[in-house]
Amino acid sequence: SQTIHQWPATLVQPVGSPLSLECTVEGTSNPNLYWYRQAAGRGLQLLFYSVGIGQISSEVPQNLSASRPQDRQFILSSKKLLLSDSGFYLCACGGRGRDTQYFGPGTRLTVL
Amino acid sequence: GENVEQHPSTLSVQEGDSAVIKCTYSDSASNYFPWYKQELGKRPQLIIDIRSNVGEKKDQRIAVTLNKTAKHFSLHITETQPEDSAVYFCAATTGGFKTIFGAGTRLFVKA
Repeated sequence: SQTIHQWPATLVQPVGSPLSLECTVEGTSNPNLYWYRQAAGRGLQLLFYSVGIGQISSEVPQNLSASRPQDRQFILSSKKLLLSDSGFYLCACGGRGRDTQYFGPGTRLTVL
Repeated sequence: GENVEQHPSTLSVQEGDSAVIKCTYSDSASNYFPWYKQELGKRPQLIIDIRSNVGEKKDQRIAVTLNKTAKHFSLHITETQPEDSAVYFCAATTGGFKTIFGAGTRLFVKA
């Protein structure tokens, strides 16, 4: 079964600073990859998903972007963070032909 | 657009009682329905799932039912224990990769 790594685990950043969160997956090839954001006490908001290298679909317009430079690497970025970007960022992985998504341990981001 | 509604948002039960969480989906093409449990500060973990060709599935104290005609599915937890306290999310998947999550149900099990 796959293992999902995310780093960093926690991050405190000032408003206007850049952001780079990384997700890597082991134990599977050619997965579907997802970025979700969860505000405190709220549900899961899908931000981006990718079905292959260089293929990114955006679900919500915002100041975030995503990239997939390698098959099992998914990166979430921002040039200038906003206070509203605070939250728990979860990377998820779903295999080809397999509907189930499994979540990484998450990155807790606080923008001050 | 596609939507999944989940009720109730909060549920409090006494230890040993049953808990039921209900979800409704809008996309009739949805064919896979997972349920996740999220403990405080942790990642969501898959606890049970059901596919559209099945009406009910059970795993020990948890069960899920699906009514495709009504586009309803439900999670049933029997003999609840304090460690069942968590937030539960339902979801509906279409086309093998597009998953829409419900808003979550916060379950409290009182000892």
